[in-house]
Amino acid sequence: QKEVEQNSGPLSVPEGAIASLNCTYSDRGSQSFFWYRQYSGKSPELIMSIYSNGDKEDGRFTAQLNKASQYVSLLIRDSQPSDSATYLCAVDNTDKLIFGTGTRLQVFP
Amino acid sequence: KAGVTQTPRYLIKTRGQQVTLSCSPISGHRSVSWYQQTPGQGLQFLFEYFSETQRNKGNFPGRFSGRQFSNSRSEMNVSTLELGDSALYLCASSPVAGVPKEQYFGPGTRLTVT
Repeated sequence: QKEVEQNSGPLSVPEGAIASLNCTYSDRGSQSFFWYRQYSGKSPELIMSIYSNGDKEDGRFTAQLNKASQYVSLLIRDSQPSDSATYLCAVDNTDKLIFGTGTRLQVFP
Repeated sequence: KAGVTQTPRYLIKTRGQQVTLSCSPISGHRSVSWYQQTPGQGLQFLFEYFSETQRNKGNFPGRFSGRQFSNSRSEMNVSTLELGDSALYLCASSPVAGVPKEQYFGPGTRLTVT
């Protein structure tokens, strides 16, 4: 079992819709969770961090964490074509970050 | 505030050669982590340096090594290059070591081994 798992996609959503990206992790001791966005040919960019169970909102982005289910998700409201990218979930594991392989999101007009 | 910088941005080397990559963290950041990104394996952790000391190491062979200088700049070295070392090498800086680890990535060095 991979330590951090994401569906590779592509996840295709129409412009204006809500995109829902999911991530599961195996280490119950993990305390810190991050979402990075990576455009093709570019480096990852940190967009959200979450440390407590529940929701955390930042603009059009909402991160959700459920430690009991070992599940973290990212919701993007009012999706725009400029949101088309690969979204990487990262989880701390014994003092280092473990990344999922990412979900490719495509937002079509 | 300037972001993380990496040099060179692109590099072509031949099997058996060695290579040194450089990373300058965001001003004030003392932790530098290195990652290898390939299409098949995704982002894989190489090592982290903090205050000139290696704090953590991933599952890579000893051909991969690094160091950090007193100004927090870091270098990564790969000796005896193999074709499989072709990848995007990313460094990320963080204000402190340990959890939480909000890391900020540089643009990366694209290494091609022929």
